Amino acid sequence: SAVISQKPSRDICQRGTSLTIQCQVDSQVTMMFWYRQQPGQSLTLIATANQGSEATYESGFVIDKFPISRPNLTFSTLTVSNMSPEDSSIYLCSARLAGYNEQFFGPGTRLTVL
Amino acid sequence: QKEVEQDPGPLSVPEGAIVSLNCTYSNSAFQYFMWYRQYSRKGPELLMYTYSSGNKEDGRFTAQVDKSSKYISLFIRDSQPSDSATYLCAMNPGNTGKLIFGQGTTLQVKP
Repeated sequence: SAVISQKPSRDICQRGTSLTIQCQVDSQVTMMFWYRQQPGQSLTLIATANQGSEATYESGFVIDKFPISRPNLTFSTLTVSNMSPEDSSIYLCSARLAGYNEQFFGPGTRLTVL
Repeated sequence: QKEVEQDPGPLSVPEGAIVSLNCTYSNSAFQYFMWYRQYSRKGPELLMYTYSSGNKEDGRFTAQVDKSSKYISLFIRDSQPSDSATYLCAMNPGNTGKLIFGQGTTLQVKP
């Protein structure tokens, strides 16, 4: 397995502001992903974070709202921009390790937008 | 129709019971199947990973895949109160790494 850390673990933000979430993996990584888990719901993939290039977004998610960076193999950031209360969710990063098909998840960032 | 269907429960069982959790799927391209356990306010923890039809056992947990029926199961033997959590099935076709999750089943094991 891998140790995946996220910062911050939680935050309360005002409408219209932006928050950047960091994800760090302690092992060799081939792929990194960002998911959203809305209250009482399952996980939905936002995008695949690509090293050194633009992320690949899923239907319903756009770069202007959720810009993602991945400057190196083991680190990625997700920004939630111009937030509204509907963005209140848990945001999770995951990683697929070199030589494995399994995905491991970070502890999540619990975001509340007022 | 969702690609992955999972009964959300809640499921309540007495301690020591055998628990059966199930998911069905519609996409025959799915090759890899995972079960995650998620405790309240925590990230999902990988429990089991399989990629072929048949059974895989790990301690009290057994994962079963039936590709012909597009049906996967997770069995928990001798269930414990510490097994109380939400269990999520997930699967992907392998080439993209993208995981499609079921809705999750909430399990409560009563002492």
